[in-house]
Amino acid sequence: DQQVKQNSPSLSVQEGRISILNCDYTNSMFDYFLWYKKYPAEGPTFLISISSIKDKNEDGRFTVFLNKSAKHLSLHIVPSQPGDSAVYFCAATSMGFNKFYFGSGTKLNVKP
Amino acid sequence: DTGVSQDPRHKITKRGQNVTFRCDPISEHNRLYWYRQTLGQGPEFLTYFQNEAQLEKSRLLSDRFSAERPKGSFSTLEIQRTEQGDSAMYLCASSFRQNTGELFFGEGSRLTVL
Repeated sequence: DQQVKQNSPSLSVQEGRISILNCDYTNSMFDYFLWYKKYPAEGPTFLISISSIKDKNEDGRFTVFLNKSAKHLSLHIVPSQPGDSAVYFCAATSMGFNKFYFGSGTKLNVKP
Repeated sequence: DTGVSQDPRHKITKRGQNVTFRCDPISEHNRLYWYRQTLGQGPEFLTYFQNEAQLEKSRLLSDRFSAERPKGSFSTLEIQRTEQGDSAMYLCASSFRQNTGELFFGEGSRLTVL
């Protein structure tokens, strides 16, 4: 049972434009959400997170939005840079942090 | 290097053989996780330790899989009687700061079962 879903396997964006990556979840017990970035031959690296008490968290060019009623979160990257080209995973957990559920990833390609 | 390290990085084995992977977490991290990732999928939870105690194990994990963290430091993941379906990337992650939930991943151990 896939509790975290990323329905877009790939996304292509021009350098300087906005990248929007989407993620949906089904378990209403999730109250903490994270985005990870993964380059080939490397492990995932943490990017940004948000708890369910917020609806937005910003860190530089990266902003995560959470819509609890829709069980949906999105990651905005503005402006997109070629170095942002990677696979992005969203993850969800409850505040005990015992188990993290990951989506299947979205491969972002930022074209120069 | 103070990151999470995994060994070996690549392992090719024949079906039926046993394999063991090792993970050395960041030294002050008390939580350690094992995940498995196959092509086109996200990381899938296998098991979780807090210090030396294994607190959760995926129901997807068969009896052929066992993990230990004997002194609350490094961890091993053993797969007995490997099958071709075990071919995957095995990722280890550690964490400490519970208020952020951030996992620090190693580079993974890729298993190929022939």
